[in-house]
Amino acid sequence: DTAVSQTPKYLVTQMGNDKSIKCEQNLGHDTMYWYKQDSKKFLKIMFSYNNKELIINETVPNRFSPKSPDKAHLNLHINSLELGDSAVYFCASSQGYGDTEAFFGQGTRLTVV
Amino acid sequence: AQTVTQSQPEMSVQEAETVTLSCTYDTSESDYYLFWYKQPPSRQMILVIRQEAYKQQNATENRFSVNFQKAAKSFSLKISDSQLGDAAMYFCAYRSPFNNDMRFGAGTRLTVKP
Repeated sequence: DTAVSQTPKYLVTQMGNDKSIKCEQNLGHDTMYWYKQDSKKFLKIMFSYNNKELIINETVPNRFSPKSPDKAHLNLHINSLELGDSAVYFCASSQGYGDTEAFFGQGTRLTVV
Repeated sequence: AQTVTQSQPEMSVQEAETVTLSCTYDTSESDYYLFWYKQPPSRQMILVIRQEAYKQQNATENRFSVNFQKAAKSFSLKISDSQLGDAAMYFCAYRSPFNNDMRFGAGTRLTVKP
């Protein structure tokens, strides 16, 4: 049973389109994250939510909008896609206390053409 | 926000030898958590080892151990008896206990030579 699952795994789309990536965790964690990994493998935090409340909102274009309908789900919607949005997007979750690590989804490779 | 620095973009080690990956971080918090993650070509993020700042003893997991120097804000990873399967990107991460903000270093690509 997958702990953190993202869909889709691959996404190829044209510039200007709107797309969504879904994330679900079945670990009962309170905190969920979105990270962007660029072509140089740098992992940059985009957003984090704790119990459906937005906690961290990094300097991300407002074309990116996270939505957390409940604490087990954190979706990422991207409007007006640009070439520079091409990257791997990771969803992760953590318990939020102690030295518990973040668990990652398998990533979504987004390619904008 | 806290920053994490990995100054070695690439490292190489001979199979069965030992290699140390460096990580430093900047924080004003007294308690926090540090992690090393491994990312093989499959791109799955895999936890290697963790360390809580309040614990003075360095964490060890089989062939993996850390050298945690709190005053120097340094958290290096030592891999002993390197195996071909250790080849991957390695990321150092810092997590704040206050807002669960989790930041990563730029990563070190480890190559293991047979």
